[in-house]
Amino acid sequence: NAGVTQTPKFQVLKTGQSMTLQCAQDMNHEYMSWYRQDPGMGLRLIHYSVGAGITDQGEVPNGYNVSRSTTEDFPLRLLSAAPSQTSVYFCASSYKGQPQHFGDGTRLSIL
Amino acid sequence: GQQLNQSPQSMFIQEGEDVSMNCTSSSIFNTWLWYKQDPGEGPVLLIALYKAGELTSNGRLTAQFGITRKDSFLNISASIPSDVGIYFCAGQGGSNYKLTFGKGTLLTVNP
Repeated sequence: NAGVTQTPKFQVLKTGQSMTLQCAQDMNHEYMSWYRQDPGMGLRLIHYSVGAGITDQGEVPNGYNVSRSTTEDFPLRLLSAAPSQTSVYFCASSYKGQPQHFGDGTRLSIL
Repeated sequence: GQQLNQSPQSMFIQEGEDVSMNCTSSSIFNTWLWYKQDPGEGPVLLIALYKAGELTSNGRLTAQFGITRKDSFLNISASIPSDVGIYFCAGQGGSNYKLTFGKGTLLTVNP
């Protein structure tokens, strides 16, 4: 049981580049979410999904897209990276009403 | 939106001391969660609280769900060096899955 798996662990991008952060879970959880963590800001919700085919915006969605074509996968896309998106990104998943399980994060730097 | 105030922001204590941290909210939550984050890793669930007034222990950790449903505290007894990390509270309200996180308490334990 791998839990929540995030790839890559580290990434450096140039301003304007695009990339996809991958998140996969093998627990058949219906709920998946993406957070960003910045110093002194805690974890802020970017986007979330309550099931395959359903996504919604969180607190800080601008500059990010998501899709949920399967229960297992919930990729996060940066269409045109900006320095303000330098952060640590966490994916989490859970059953309804249960605590969320987190991946180990992707550390992203935008130059 | 909902906001959580977590205090203190940081603590520097001696090994063996007890620790207390708390979170307060402007809104009512149905669930309170406490997570710990070690450097370079994702948050790991410590304690989940589901009922107002509930007091739950996990080893040396004790957490309580405030009777007003707007606050929670976490106590750590007889701290040890491996308790070092960032502790986050999180609240979940209504029938949705979304979590609101506090900004974290950075705990340093001096051996």
